Amino acid sequence: SQQGEEDPQALSIQEGENATMNCSYKTSINNLQWYRQNSGRGLVHLILIRSNEREKHSGRLRVTLDTSKKSSSLLITASRAADTASYFCATDAGTSGSRLTFGEGTQLTVNP
Amino acid sequence: EADIYQTPRYLVIGTGKKITLECSQTMGHDKMYWYQQDPGMELHLIHYSYGVNSTEKGDLSSESTVSRIRTEHFPLTLESARPSHTSQYLCASSEDKRNTQYFGPGTRLTVL
Repeated sequence: SQQGEEDPQALSIQEGENATMNCSYKTSINNLQWYRQNSGRGLVHLILIRSNEREKHSGRLRVTLDTSKKSSSLLITASRAADTASYFCATDAGTSGSRLTFGEGTQLTVNP
Repeated sequence: EADIYQTPRYLVIGTGKKITLECSQTMGHDKMYWYQQDPGMELHLIHYSYGVNSTEKGDLSSESTVSRIRTEHFPLTLESARPSHTSQYLCASSEDKRNTQYFGPGTRLTVL
């Protein structure tokens, strides 16, 4: 199965609420990345957290990493309708040079 | 917006046709990737390249082939398309150090 598993599979919230998505993985990693995909488009890199980091912020995004539990979470604060998209975590295990393994994604819908 | 381009964006063809999906990037990245993604599902790596004249098969078995004659160009070819090849194909590239991947907009292929 895939290295990354995400939950929930789908999340529907109102504008202004916070959205939290979780990602679990199975092997040791160099870093974990989060990507966003709008419907029918390519993925866009959001944020990268290294294995020796526990938390990282970028604008309204907050990512945490717990290597002991092999899990990460992505928090989007004060969500907007424009945040509606699929969000994927991707792990870089540092082996097989530069390959990322993507999770199954969380479909986020932010209702106006 | 990343400087990575895919053509065509949409392609509908009949069974047995030979097709080539184009991918080009102007960022000078050595590493390039092809993913296959069904709607709402995770990405599966089908081919990757670490530089000119380097190509490797990915995690998901694919009947497609790739070539890397120039750094900026990484085309994917299907010699004889079948309905099972219907999917979205995403091309990506990455810089050496951070392994952050930049994605093209994708080609949505439908084989009738």
